[in-house]
Amino acid sequence: DTEVTQTPKHLVMGMTNKKSLKCEQHMGHRAMYWYKQKAKKPPELMFVYSYEKLSINESVPSRFSPECPNSSLLNLHLHALQPEDSALYLCASSYTGELFFGEGSRLTVL
Amino acid sequence: AQSVSQHNHHVILSEAASLELGCNYSYGGTVNLFWYVQYPGQHLQLLLKYFSGDPLVKGIKGFEAEFIKSKFSFNLRKPSVQWSDTAEYFCAVGYNFNKFYFGSGTKLNVKP
Repeated sequence: DTEVTQTPKHLVMGMTNKKSLKCEQHMGHRAMYWYKQKAKKPPELMFVYSYEKLSINESVPSRFSPECPNSSLLNLHLHALQPEDSALYLCASSYTGELFFGEGSRLTVL
Repeated sequence: AQSVSQHNHHVILSEAASLELGCNYSYGGTVNLFWYVQYPGQHLQLLLKYFSGDPLVKGIKGFEAEFIKSKFSFNLRKPSVQWSDTAEYFCAVGYNFNKFYFGSGTKLNVKP
């Protein structure tokens, strides 16, 4: 199994909603990542978890809250988002210095 | 902060033309280097990677890249492009085990 699975694939939410994005991998990778990709832009690193501990937070606003419940799961909790947060959110994992990406969750904030 | 630069933002080629996309990075330590491709409406796919050893690496679909340490470069090449290579190409650099950063991307349009 060499997949990173992200759910939901599409999410539409209002600015007052609370929602979560989920990511799962069963490759035994101990580093997991959230990236944000706007249209026609490169992926931007948001958070890195290493051995289930947050190791990198790239100055992301607190309306994005990551969580790593165990070594296979990574969540991104969303609250009070802004329309400019609409983007493709990519989860990735790595073990041997190579990133494996999921297909992403496309988020639209109304 | 470390940076990854892709100087070609938009490249237009005819089929069978040769391709070279530039990538430079600023980190002076040990790095892992990658090229990813993103076809329209699809997710990122790994084209090729360099960790160590032979600086000329071959990837999928006839792509190759050369690591030149003295120039901090990792340019992507393909001798003869096809219409199906139309996509966006991202260079990425990994360092300190779990830090990965992407260049701004190069959009390639191949005319049939």
